[in-house]
Amino acid sequence: GESVGLHLPTLSVQEGDNSIINCAYSNSASDYFIWYKQESGKGPQFIIDIRSNMDKRQGQRVTVLLNKTVKHLSLQIAATQPGDSAVYFCAEAGQNFVFGPGTRLSVLP
Amino acid sequence: DTAVSQTPKYLVTQMGNDKSIKCEQNLGHDTMYWYKQDSKKFLKIMFSYNNKELIINETVPNRFSPKSPDKAHLNLHINSLELGDSAVYFCASRYGDNSPLHFGNGTRLTVT
Repeated sequence: GESVGLHLPTLSVQEGDNSIINCAYSNSASDYFIWYKQESGKGPQFIIDIRSNMDKRQGQRVTVLLNKTVKHLSLQIAATQPGDSAVYFCAEAGQNFVFGPGTRLSVLP
Repeated sequence: DTAVSQTPKYLVTQMGNDKSIKCEQNLGHDTMYWYKQDSKKFLKIMFSYNNKELIINETVPNRFSPKSPDKAHLNLHINSLELGDSAVYFCASRYGDNSPLHFGNGTRLTVT
């Protein structure tokens, strides 16, 4: 079936550096994508979304890039902070939400 | 607060028992979901209801039965619990396609 996957299962970055989390998807018909952040003991929280008619969208300290040609999605976090430590999921959001396996981001002091 | 709330947060029970997890959303969403998250953090959809009607039923054992008394509630009943049912179960809701899911904080089920 269709799947959404991540290139790196874990990512460690120094506090203050930028983080980039990558995601590959396989359904070329998908037109809506979302990034979620999951902290320990909590449910996934919405960070930012992007529709297929865009290739970039910016939020507060976060940017999502969409490359439909290679079916790749990335989340960039600027000036990574300790509070950014969490598991990050990309999701392909059709009728049936499909999540990638997640990337654990660890922020080093 | 507007939210998706599920109870209980923790559930420890023995094999063979029957248990229920409740979920309520006050966001006015029409569609509600149950997801199972395993120990490797993989999120897998189990069920989806739209306005009290089942629309998605993934390959889930018949021991799992969702019930939606109204569009704000989607409960999950599990019969004859097995060790492999141990996981975190998340309820979620959204307005419809092309809108984000809003998740509850999960129910950690431990079957001993």
